[in-house]
Amino acid sequence: KNQVEQSPQSLIILEGKNCTLQCNYTVSPFSNLRWYKQDTGRGPVSLTIMTFSENTKSNGRYTATLDADTKQSSLHITASQLSDSASYICVVTPALKLTFGGGTRVLVKP
Amino acid sequence: DTAVSQTPKYLVTQMGNDKSIKCEQNLGHDTMYWYKQDSKKFLKIMFSYNNKELIINETVPNRFSPKSPDKAHLNLHINSLELGDSAVYFCASSQPGQGNSNTGELFFGEGSRLTVL
Repeated sequence: KNQVEQSPQSLIILEGKNCTLQCNYTVSPFSNLRWYKQDTGRGPVSLTIMTFSENTKSNGRYTATLDADTKQSSLHITASQLSDSASYICVVTPALKLTFGGGTRVLVKP
Repeated sequence: DTAVSQTPKYLVTQMGNDKSIKCEQNLGHDTMYWYKQDSKKFLKIMFSYNNKELIINETVPNRFSPKSPDKAHLNLHINSLELGDSAVYFCASSQPGQGNSNTGELFFGEGSRLTVL
């Protein structure tokens, strides 16, 4: 069964600190892995898309890594800002049907 | 300009009623989707249309009927609403991806929160 599991479910960090979110997947065959940011009451917005051959991809203060051998990905947020408070969703694409993780809720406190 | 817009944003209705949610995208994408986000925040695909043709139809009660009058619009009609239908429904669109990816970047609407009383 294709699954995407994210950890932690939620975390609280102080403004300016870094944090790392984890994503483990069992989706097969693998096409690409995406990270989305979803602000409260809004739709998800794409942060990064990585194919099988990519190990890392950055988007501003967001850096995603991918280890296709161990089927793990991480999203690192550097120098967090209050606007980073959101849910971060890992999505793995076998083909047309994307498999979504349950997300990690991040709360950045001043 | 809003890329993917859906209306209404909020919908409160009684059990047994019929309601519709509309979605429009101005990105020129060929593929549109409806997703359901439940209380645990998992997003699950319901339907996908490519150029007005249904290509994905997950295990969704037949009370849910999507309609795509043209490739820029995908509406969702729900008959005989039940309490369990309460959720946030997201419309999205994409173009085909490159290489081995069949799905390009997804662009989501702002969501329509449906509450069934």
